[in-house]
Amino acid sequence: EVQLVQSGAEVKKPGESLKISCKGSGYSFTSYWIGWVRQMPGKGLEWMGIIYPGDSDTRYSPSFQGQVTISADKSISTAYLQWSSLKASDTAMYYCASALDYGGIPSAFDYWGQGTLVTVSS
Amino acid sequence: EIVLTQSPGTLSLSPGERATLSCRASQSVSSSYLAWYQQKPGQAPRLLIYGASSRATGIPDRFSGSGSGTDFTLTISRLEPEDFAVYYCQQYGTALTFGGGTKVEIK
Repeated sequence: EVQLVQSGAEVKKPGESLKISCKGSGYSFTSYWIGWVRQMPGKGLEWMGIIYPGDSDTRYSPSFQGQVTISADKSISTAYLQWSSLKASDTAMYYCASALDYGGIPSAFDYWGQGTLVTVSS
Repeated sequence: EIVLTQSPGTLSLSPGERATLSCRASQSVSSSYLAWYQQKPGQAPRLLIYGASSRATGIPDRFSGSGSGTDFTLTISRLEPEDFAVYYCQQYGTALTFGGGTKVEIK
């Protein structure tokens, strides 16, 4: 059974750093893309970026380029999303999701993590 | 960046009725790399349709997708109580983007 299990909810202060995780199991972690999606309270889905753990090919949405860093450790089948300096506007639910590889192009997100709620408040 | 515009924003229908949701792209979507997702409150999104018209595993056949180029449609032939939710389209041919969503609510 394919599973993506995300790390738990976080409460942080503005300016702090944070790294959240997404652990994959039940499939070949290096053969699927892992994407990150933001959902602000009461709002829609926003694609942030995506990584192919097999070769660490990483792509960012222009809206999030330079704001976050996506990485993966294939030895432990885990992808990460990190911030160096959080803002109150980073308060949101963050989902990871997996996508098949179509020859260097990620497909639709077929499996999703349960989400990690990040709250940034002074 | 390809912008996806979904309409209507909210669709008020009764169980048993047909729902037609629209997703329009600002430029042509490569190879019909268009997906639809369903999201219920407090849950992660669920993939319904990929490749514009292929149902994902376990998705009932009352859900169907169609379209190509810049215009795509998700149709729910007869609404069941569990279908009332928010629906998002997503293109994955040129980077990735999501539409703003359509809420299907009970009339």
